Amino acid sequence: KQEVTQIPAALSVPEGENLVLNCSFTDSAIYNLQWFRQDPGKGLTSLLLIQSSQREQTSGRLNASLDKSSGRSTLYIAASQPGDSATYLCAGDTGNQFYFGTGTSLTVIP
Amino acid sequence: DAGVIQSPRHEVTEMGQEVTLRCKPISGHNSLFWYRQTMMRGLELLIYFNNNVPIDDSGMPEDRFSAKMPNASFSTLKIQPSEPRDSAVYFCASSLGQGIHTGELFFGEGSRLTVL
Repeated sequence: KQEVTQIPAALSVPEGENLVLNCSFTDSAIYNLQWFRQDPGKGLTSLLLIQSSQREQTSGRLNASLDKSSGRSTLYIAASQPGDSATYLCAGDTGNQFYFGTGTSLTVIP
Repeated sequence: DAGVIQSPRHEVTEMGQEVTLRCKPISGHNSLFWYRQTMMRGLELLIYFNNNVPIDDSGMPEDRFSAKMPNASFSTLKIQPSEPRDSAVYFCASSLGQGIHTGELFFGEGSRLTVL
């Protein structure tokens, strides 16, 4: 069974910092890789999807990359803002379903 | 599109009662997923459907749980009888599958279930 690890589990940074969230899979045969954001009491919002033929995706201040050889993905957030405070989850599709990490709880301090 | 719609948003019930959670996927999506989220176990896949057919229900914890998808625009997750350990947030998600692969997942806002 696919195991997904996200490091760190929690992160607190001052506003304006650039930061990197990490995600790793025990099975590196990942087809699609998706990053989500979850605010307290809310559902998961899709941030970026890296499809099978891609290695990275960018949206605004967010950049996600996937190294299929190692089964690792990173989410880079530039110039962090207090509104970025949330839990970030990665999920990888290695078959008929996505396997989720347990998330990184991010707090951006004004 | 309104996105994935779930109801109810909150449900409080007593142990032993039947609970039915509902989901309307995004129009045109052919895959539907039911997840459960708790602090202890994170996000767990319970069951998923492709073209209204259950493909994998190995995540359904017990026979007390059942799910149906009578048509492409509606699914239910039923718990009967409910127990306090079923308290969790239940999410529905849908995607436009790409062959055997899932496609981009879109989640509903969730149904927060509390069983007393």
